[in-house]
Amino acid sequence: KNQVEQSPQSLIILEGKNCTLQCNYTVSPFSNLRWYKQDTGRGPVSLTIMTFSENTKSNGRYTATLDADTKQSSLHITASQLSDSASYICVVSARLGGSQGNLIFGKGTKLSVKP
Amino acid sequence: KAGVTQTPRYLIKTRGQQVTLSCSPISGHRSVSWYQQTPGQGLQFLFEYFSETQRNKGNFPGRFSGRQFSNSRSEMNVSTLELGDSALYLCASALGGTGELFFGEGSRLTVL
Repeated sequence: KNQVEQSPQSLIILEGKNCTLQCNYTVSPFSNLRWYKQDTGRGPVSLTIMTFSENTKSNGRYTATLDADTKQSSLHITASQLSDSASYICVVSARLGGSQGNLIFGKGTKLSVKP
Repeated sequence: KAGVTQTPRYLIKTRGQQVTLSCSPISGHRSVSWYQQTPGQGLQFLFEYFSETQRNKGNFPGRFSGRQFSNSRSEMNVSTLELGDSALYLCASALGGTGELFFGEGSRLTVL
């Protein structure tokens, strides 16, 4: 069964600190993996999209890694800011081409950054 | 370039009523997909429309339906509302296939 598991469920860190969020998946055939940031009460916003051949991708202070062999991804946030407080959702695409119905969503990690 | 627009942003209904939500995608995007988000279940796929045709459907009862118009705008309808339908309903548009999704701000539905 195609699944995406994220850990931890929630995380509290102090402003300025780094953190790493994890995503493990059992999705086949794999097409791409995405990380989204969702502020409370808002729609998700794309941070990165990684294909099979990409190991690392950065977007400002956000760096995503992908290990297709172990089917793991991580999202590293550097020098956290209060505005990083949000839910981070890992999404894996189960097929190349096709429809959005092939996307498998994780339940997200809720990050709280405290001053 | 304007983003994905969803209306209404908030609405309150009572059990047994029906509701229609609207989504205007980014100009040029032909794929519109709908999702239900609840605290316990996270984001769950409802259905996707592409060029006015339903391309895929999630595991939801027939009370949930949708359609897409020739200008790519989409609506979803929920009939005979139940308390469990209370959720944030998100619409996303994409150029097509499994391209990057651009989400709207959502419609927050409360069923009393």
